[in-house]
Amino acid sequence: EDQVTQSPEALRLQEGESSSLNCSYTVSGLRGLFWYRQDPGKGPEFLFTLYSAGEEKEKERLKATLTKKESFLHITAPKPEDSATYLCAVQALWGSSNTGKLIFGQGTTLQVKP
Amino acid sequence: DSGVTQTPKHLITATGQRVTLRCSPRSGDLSVYWYQQSLDQGLQFLIQYYNGEERAKGNILERFSAQQFPDLHSELNLSSLELGDSALYFCASSPGRYQETQYFGPGTRLLVL
Repeated sequence: EDQVTQSPEALRLQEGESSSLNCSYTVSGLRGLFWYRQDPGKGPEFLFTLYSAGEEKEKERLKATLTKKESFLHITAPKPEDSATYLCAVQALWGSSNTGKLIFGQGTTLQVKP
Repeated sequence: DSGVTQTPKHLITATGQRVTLRCSPRSGDLSVYWYQQSLDQGLQFLIQYYNGEERAKGNILERFSAQQFPDLHSELNLSSLELGDSALYFCASSPGRYQETQYFGPGTRLLVL
């Protein structure tokens, strides 16, 4: 069964304290891995898409990397405004069905204190 | 702003009732997806439509149904509502049938009393 597991569930950092969030996945063929940011009560906001192992994407203080089994979201020198829940999702190969279904992890809730 | 709009933002109703949630995709996007987010289940895929046709179903209850209209907007109908249906319902859209990034709307918060 296709599955996504994120760790840790919650993370508290001091402003400027760099860290990484983990997303482990089990999927029958990876079509794409997606990172989203979600603020309370809001819709997920797209951050990155990764398609193949070894790929890396960067945006401001965030950097996403991908291996054959997991993805990391590295946060460098975070600020309080980076506080949010970060969601990882995978899109699996469905054979001839070719659908866009995303399978989400439970998310990591990040709190950055000033 | 993702360009995906959803109405209403909030909905409060009673058990046994029926509600309709509406979604307008980003301009040019042909696929619409519906997801349910509850505290214990996280974000769960319900159903996908592509250019008016159903493409995939997830764990969508038989009490729930959806459709996509010729102007590409979509509606999710929830009937015989139960307390457990209280959740955030999100719509997402993408240009094609798969692989492209999905952009999410602001969601509809449903509370069933």
